[in-house]
Amino acid sequence: GQQLNQSPQSMFIQEGEDVSMNCTSSSIFNTWLWYKQDPGEGPVLLIALYKAGELTSNGRLTAQFGITRKDSFLNISASIPSDVGIYFCAVLWVSGTYKYIFGTGTRLKVLA
Amino acid sequence: DTEVTQTPKHLVMGMTNKKSLKCEQHMGHRAMYWYKQKAKKPPELMFVYSYEKLSINESVPSRFSPECPNSSLLNLHLHALQPEDSALYLCASRDRGGIQDTQYFGPGTRLTVL
Repeated sequence: GQQLNQSPQSMFIQEGEDVSMNCTSSSIFNTWLWYKQDPGEGPVLLIALYKAGELTSNGRLTAQFGITRKDSFLNISASIPSDVGIYFCAVLWVSGTYKYIFGTGTRLKVLA
Repeated sequence: DTEVTQTPKHLVMGMTNKKSLKCEQHMGHRAMYWYKQKAKKPPELMFVYSYEKLSINESVPSRFSPECPNSSLLNLHLHALQPEDSALYLCASRDRGGIQDTQYFGPGTRLTVL
């Protein structure tokens, strides 16, 4: 089946540092979504990307849709303690029906 | 407003019980999803409803029974569950505005099967 690989799997960073994580696929997708999930809560949509090469920001977050349409990265600038959580990428898979495939997740821990 | 609501927030049930999870959205989205999520894992798709019709069943055991009474409401009926079914159950809806597809999640129901 389709798979999305996220890296790194987990990371510890100091408060104030910038963070970068990425998501790669072996197939082309035209919609890439980034979510953040806190423990016991539902994923919250951070950024949606629809055009290859597109760079989109949401506050301290910036995401890019790779030009090959097989990858995306998410940057967080000046991290703060509330950035702690799991970040998932997801793509829309269309084959008669519409479903989303999720990446394996990047767990972020911020040291104050 | 991009809100998907789920009730209850927490549910504890025995293996012989029958219970239901409820999901609601009033954003006019015509596709709704049920996911199961285990700790530290990505959400795992269970069912998709499109225009109130079941379009995807990811080989989910029959002890899980979805229902979509109308375009705003999605239920998941539970019967004779097993302890390994304990998980966070997430509902989501899909917004298709032109070429822009976006999926929004509810807060989830934490299910514990004893």
